[in-house]
Amino acid sequence: AQKITQTQPGMFVQEKEAVTLDCTYDTSDPSYGLFWYKQPSSGEMIFLIYQGSYDQQNATEGRYSLNFQKARKSANLVISASQLGDSAMYFCAMREGGQAGTALIFGKGTTLSVSS
Amino acid sequence: NAGVMQNPRHLVRRRGQEARLRCSPMKGHSHVYWYRQLPEEGLKFMVYLQKENIIDESGMPKERFSAEFPKEGPSILRIQQVVRGDSAAYFCASSPTFDTYNEQFFGPGTRLTVL
Repeated sequence: AQKITQTQPGMFVQEKEAVTLDCTYDTSDPSYGLFWYKQPSSGEMIFLIYQGSYDQQNATEGRYSLNFQKARKSANLVISASQLGDSAMYFCAMREGGQAGTALIFGKGTTLSVSS
Repeated sequence: NAGVMQNPRHLVRRRGQEARLRCSPMKGHSHVYWYRQLPEEGLKFMVYLQKENIIDESGMPKERFSAEFPKEGPSILRIQQVVRGDSAAYFCASSPTFDTYNEQFFGPGTRLTVL
């Protein structure tokens, strides 16, 4: 079974609109972290936002917020007021805790296209 | 405060040659991770190293691939006798501690093309 599932291969949004990128995860570990990264066409990986499994509140970073629904195992990224520069590939990732908690496990990504 | 450095940014090799990818972690970081991204795919974990030790190489192909992180100098990912299927972007990330919640800081990646 896939650990991280991003079901939207591509999303299209107009400037200034909000957009939600879906991410569901699968783990039996009670301790884990969830991350979102942005990969523009230039190729670098840019960290956006982090949510810990024990965090009581949803994480927010500027225009980015993470809609964390633990019971549903979902960690959707919400981008408010989209900008043209938000056009990129977005990856959801998880890091499981415990002794073996090392690697990030990535989803296949969602391509976001923002138009004017 | 320089970020994670990787070089070269682009590498072209012919089949059968060796590829050496270098990664210098952020200052103060002693944990290095290597990931591979095939075209149109997410990143896949390859290996996790600390200084002079390989901690987890469960994602590393059994043959032709090796990694090291010496006491002095950058971490090296070495691919011997490259094949066309090795063409990918290879990313290095570093983190300061083993804490689950620590962000991994990524380098710009090395794009390997095998002709």
